[in-house]
Amino acid sequence: AQSVAQPEDQVNVAEGNPLTVKCTYSVSGNPYLFWYVQYPNRGLQFLLKYITGDNLVKGSYGFEAEFNKSQTSFHLKKPSALVSDSALYFCAVRYHGSGNTGKLIFGQGTTLQVKP
Amino acid sequence: NAGVTQTPKFQVLKTGQSMTLQCAQDMNHEYMSWYRQDPGMGLRLIHYSVGAGITDQGEVPNGYNVSRSTTEDFPLRLLSAAPSQTSVYFCASSYSRRASEQYFGPGTRLTVT
Repeated sequence: AQSVAQPEDQVNVAEGNPLTVKCTYSVSGNPYLFWYVQYPNRGLQFLLKYITGDNLVKGSYGFEAEFNKSQTSFHLKKPSALVSDSALYFCAVRYHGSGNTGKLIFGQGTTLQVKP
Repeated sequence: NAGVTQTPKFQVLKTGQSMTLQCAQDMNHEYMSWYRQDPGMGLRLIHYSVGAGITDQGEVPNGYNVSRSTTEDFPLRLLSAAPSQTSVYFCASSYSRRASEQYFGPGTRLTVT
């Protein structure tokens, strides 16, 4: 079955430190991978995506993610965390076998808490 | 450019009542979808549409209907509300079904008592 896993319910980091939010996936064929962020009482906002090409993808607000095909991972990273980065982060995958649905498979989400 | 808009923002229904959640986008996107968000379960696809007049079921379609008469609008109808439908509902749209990112509306928080 196609799935996305975010192994950590919550990640705590100090402001100014690097952060990593982990994501692994299991899909057939080549995946399209996405990261979204959700602030309280808001909809999801797109951060970045991997479709093809360079394994290191840069996105909004200084975030980046590295696609690792052998480890089937797509971890979200930022060199220096800000308190304003505190939010709920979702990893999502769309795969070629999804046919017409365009369905995004979401992970359960990881709460990022950045402390001053 | 308003993006994806949803109304209402909040709604309380009694079991058995019906209602329609509205969704509209002004980006001329062909693909639109409805998700529900429940704690610890991420987002789950309810229904989707690949263009005006074309809709299909997602992974949790029971109890919901959709229609797509125009490119812009994609309403979600709850036929007979049940407490299990208490959730936050998000509408999303994208330019294409594959490589494009989806744009999400602000959500509708629905409580069924």
